[in-house]
Amino acid sequence: EAGVAQSPRYKIIEKRQSVAFWCNPISGHATLYWYQQILGQGPKLLIQFQNNGVVDDSQLPKDRFSAERLKGVDSTLKIQPAKLEDSAVYLCASSFYSSGNTIYFGEGSWLTVV
Amino acid sequence: AQSVTQLGSHVSVSEGALVLLRCNYSSSVPPYLFWYVQYPNQGLQLLLKYTSAATLVKGINGFEAEFKKSETSFHLTKPSAHMSDAAEYFCAVSEVDSSYKLIFGSGTRLLVRP
Repeated sequence: EAGVAQSPRYKIIEKRQSVAFWCNPISGHATLYWYQQILGQGPKLLIQFQNNGVVDDSQLPKDRFSAERLKGVDSTLKIQPAKLEDSAVYLCASSFYSSGNTIYFGEGSWLTVV
Repeated sequence: AQSVTQLGSHVSVSEGALVLLRCNYSSSVPPYLFWYVQYPNQGLQLLLKYTSAATLVKGINGFEAEFKKSETSFHLTKPSAHMSDAAEYFCAVSEVDSSYKLIFGSGTRLLVRP
């Protein structure tokens, strides 16, 4: 079965510019996650969707980050305006919504802000 | 809130030697626990997970982990290291609430010496 698809894989932008990342989860997975992984750290959850509703966005910097999953399938994460500290890998993941569920990760979108 | 501590940001072993990567969690209720591996420039791949069944969990690539409630630990082991095991390893705990989101440790980079 196809895995979690993400694009673009790599992006370099200047600070104060905007960027958008796209994610298509595994077919049938109701839950979609966006994680931020800064170099040398573990992934940190930014936002979690259940179908097209937000379950948790407590760690999303809402003044500059936004995410949507309008039709309950694919999702877009946007950063505007970007800061130097946003340089990280943005990992999309998906899972069935059940206890003990396995979360499957995409290969990530690598962002460098200069 | 849950937290995960991985002791040792870097672990170096010789090829053929025992691999031991340490993970401790904070929870008053037995959570779900996971080990993920991340190879360079790739996303996270599930190695194994504990979901309150057998305390000794076997995963892929010869890895296993033992859940010890008394020690709040979930250490990852492999009897004999292979060069291909060199990667970053992340321990994660799943929140036992309605979100089932993963909380990750900071990771341990495994280096395998020839």
